[in-house]
Amino acid sequence: RKEVEQDPGPFNVPEGATVAFNCTYSNSASQSFFWYRQDCRKEPKLLMSVYSSGNEDGRFTAQLNRASQYISLLIRDSKLSDSATYLCVVEGRGSQGNLIFGKGTKLSVKP
Amino acid sequence: DAGITQSPRHKVTETGTPVTLRCHQTENHRYMYWYRQDPGHGLRLIHYSYGVKDTDKGEVSDGYSVSRSKTEDFLLTLESATSSQTSVYFCAISESRGTSFDTQYFGPGTRLTVL
Repeated sequence: RKEVEQDPGPFNVPEGATVAFNCTYSNSASQSFFWYRQDCRKEPKLLMSVYSSGNEDGRFTAQLNRASQYISLLIRDSKLSDSATYLCVVEGRGSQGNLIFGKGTKLSVKP
Repeated sequence: DAGITQSPRHKVTETGTPVTLRCHQTENHRYMYWYRQDPGHGLRLIHYSYGVKDTDKGEVSDGYSVSRSKTEDFLLTLESATSSQTSVYFCAISESRGTSFDTQYFGPGTRLTVL
């Protein structure tokens, strides 16, 4: 299994749709998980951290399933402004383990 | 937004020339990172720093060196640029690591083209 794997998309959805992204990771010892958002030709920005109990921030819900080693991001009531690439980020291996970034899933929300 | 700047923002250079990219932060964060981002790859860590004069290699460190003489500045040097180093380079900072990772905040990026 690759360290962090995401469906590259693109996901093309109409405004108002609900869309879900999944991400799998290989390091069972990982303790830190994030979703970042990256707009075209811009830097990645933190969307939300992912906690064991799951967490919600407005229209965005993140879930963690440690047993299956996957993370999900649910976006409800999609807006045009949600169009971006969503990066799954997981703590890497080793005592100096750093963050491992997935290649991203591209979302395009259409009117 | 976190106070991170990168310079230059765009650079075109020739194969074999040395190139230095600068990352400057005003947040006084301990950790600083250099990543590269290429189509078909996620962000890949080049080098990182955990304090002044304390640096370590990342996943793709060959052909790169770094220096951190002040908390606020982290320099990335391509000793002899090659076309394979054409990429977008992002600097990131984080306050601490501890038992779990703090958020990393990214600079605006530097687009480097090596001809």
